[in-house]
Amino acid sequence: DAGVIQSPRHEVTEMGQEVTLRCKPISGHNSLFWYRQTMMRGLELLIYFNNNVPIDDSGMPEDRFSAKMPNASFSTLKIQPSEPRDSAVYFCASSPAAGGYGYTFGSGTRLTVV
Amino acid sequence: GESVGLHLPTLSVQEGDNSIINCAYSNSASDYFIWYKQESGKGPQFIIDIRSNMDKRQGQRVTVLLNKTVKHLSLQIAATQPGDSAVYFCAESGGGTSYGKLTFGQGTILTVHP
Repeated sequence: DAGVIQSPRHEVTEMGQEVTLRCKPISGHNSLFWYRQTMMRGLELLIYFNNNVPIDDSGMPEDRFSAKMPNASFSTLKIQPSEPRDSAVYFCASSPAAGGYGYTFGSGTRLTVV
Repeated sequence: GESVGLHLPTLSVQEGDNSIINCAYSNSASDYFIWYKQESGKGPQFIIDIRSNMDKRQGQRVTVLLNKTVKHLSLQIAATQPGDSAVYFCAESGGGTSYGKLTFGQGTILTVHP
């Protein structure tokens, strides 16, 4: 089992550019979560999907952020346009079912917007 | 100017000592709790979990205690080793509309001195 796979591991981009972060959940997991981690705010849930359907996007900071899950094996988090305050580590996690059981995190994408 | 960020609690112990990390949670409807370990540059890694119908659960060198009356969770690490140095997070999975997503605490930095 390769675990939750995120790409890229590191991303440096200029302010105003579009950034797309990618996640492949563990096969068979029905729930997928996007988190952001910063020194200021810790780990924050941005959005989560259950069976590819967005369930709760209340943590998405602004309209500049959007997330999709076109199928059970792939999700993207897009920031357009990016701003320096978006710099953070973005984690994807997946779990077999609702309830939090078997929750597994990816290694994260470290985003730096200059 | 000086940046303001989270001031994580810290715990510093000697190798071989026992460590106790504490966490207070807020949602009385939460029914599932997890402890995660996060090493530098990595995603949070599952350590141990406990359901609300239990007050104690033991793993290898780790024990989680749950006190629902005061909404308190603790992680005990026996014979702490330098490899245990990391940030430790508690997380809760609530009932109702928050079912399926984890809410994380701010974390505690554990440093183990050889």
